[in-house]
Amino acid sequence: GQQVMQIPQYQHVQEGEDFTTYCNSSTTLSNIQWYKQRPGGHPVFLIQLVKSGEVKKQKRLTFQFGEAKKNSSLHITATQTTDVGTYFCAGRTNSGGSNYKLTFGKGTLLTVNP
Amino acid sequence: GAVVSQHPSRVICKSGTSVKIECRSLDFQATTMFWYRQFPKQSLMLMATSNEGSKATYEQGVEKDKFLINHASLTLSTLTVTSAHPEDSSFYICSAHAGGKFISGANVLTFGAGSRLTVL
Repeated sequence: GQQVMQIPQYQHVQEGEDFTTYCNSSTTLSNIQWYKQRPGGHPVFLIQLVKSGEVKKQKRLTFQFGEAKKNSSLHITATQTTDVGTYFCAGRTNSGGSNYKLTFGKGTLLTVNP
Repeated sequence: GAVVSQHPSRVICKSGTSVKIECRSLDFQATTMFWYRQFPKQSLMLMATSNEGSKATYEQGVEKDKFLINHASLTLSTLTVTSAHPEDSSFYICSAHAGGKFISGANVLTFGAGSRLTVL
């Protein structure tokens, strides 16, 4: 079945440093979504990428979708303590099963040292 | 925006008892809801897809007789953990698609706050 690999599993940075997490799918995706889960909280939707090579920005966050629609990345510039949490990518394919079934990566836990 | 309400947020029960968790879409109708399980510091594992008015679709390895799902209305899905045992202790999260009314992209998920189950 479809697999979504996400690295790194953990990342600890000093406040002000940049951070990047990467996702790679075993199959071509129709779209990819990113979620953030604060410690003790639930996942919250950040963004969805649909087009090949798409790049979207949200303030200090930059999201990219690969040309082949099999990989994606989330980059945070100049991290802040409020960025702490686990970032999940979730990929969707058009093949089989429920139309809305997403496969989540294992997540990257980001901790920021003030 | 779209809100999914999940109750209870925390529950502690004795081994052998059953626990029901409710998931409600507050300002939209959800014909499909999803139940996930999350172990500490791990990813979200899809357990089942709850379909209003029909049987739930369970993922491979998830016991349907153990985790009973009922989706009796367009705004409510319930997950019942039957004869709970300590290994069932986990964080259970439901989610639903609110659709284009709230978030661009019909297949974006809105998550409930989750229910932390502890079985003694």
